[in-house]
Amino acid sequence: DIQMTQSPSSLSASVGDRVTITCRASQSISSYLNWYQQKPGKAPKLLIYAASSLQSGVPSRFSGSGSGTDFTLTISSLQPEDFATYYCQQSYSTLTWAFGQGTKVEIK
Amino acid sequence: QVQLVQSGAEVKKPGASVKVSCKASGYTFTGYYMHWVRQAPGQGLEWMGWINPNSGGTNYAQKFQGRVTMTRDTSISTAYMELSRLRSDDTAVYYCAREQIAAAGTNWFDPWGQGTLVTVSS
Repeated sequence: DIQMTQSPSSLSASVGDRVTITCRASQSISSYLNWYQQKPGKAPKLLIYAASSLQSGVPSRFSGSGSGTDFTLTISSLQPEDFATYYCQQSYSTLTWAFGQGTKVEIK
Repeated sequence: QVQLVQSGAEVKKPGASVKVSCKASGYTFTGYYMHWVRQAPGQGLEWMGWINPNSGGTNYAQKFQGRVTMTRDTSISTAYMELSRLRSDDTAVYYCAREQIAAAGTNWFDPWGQGTLVTVSS
């Protein structure tokens, strides 16, 4: 099975900071990588699909990059509403979907 | 608009079963796979499996094989997830999520249901 590893597990940042979250796959997954945002008590929300495509309605300060095994989610200027937990997900193997363990973005 | 609405919270005793429903609206129910994902308190997302609403075919994560059953009723555009032989560590929020596929073959989950809290306690 493909394993997904995110880093860091948590981070503290200030409003306006540039934030980068990394996701690594245990084998090549081409561009079959998605990113979700989850706020407390809410369902996950799709941010980025196919590694770098921005979901409709998602602010342009969010961007994704990478292919193969290494991927990055970047928030160019952190806003108060961006404090949440972020998950990557591989969709290369559709018989065994997998998520990263999550990265919690907290207020410094 | 596309929407998934799940059934309400459940409290079950160890060893019992629970069946969670997910009613779809705003799209052709049989045209998209439906997935189930759970999240234990304070933990991450765990994929459980999917159902093809058109054929009824299913695929379960190995961890849940033998305990989970995913079904659907196309007449009411509703998917179901039943988990049996419940244990305390099955306490979690259970989500349904629609799989979306792009022309290029990439796929993702959108939208998600609001979640159903299942509490297993004696």
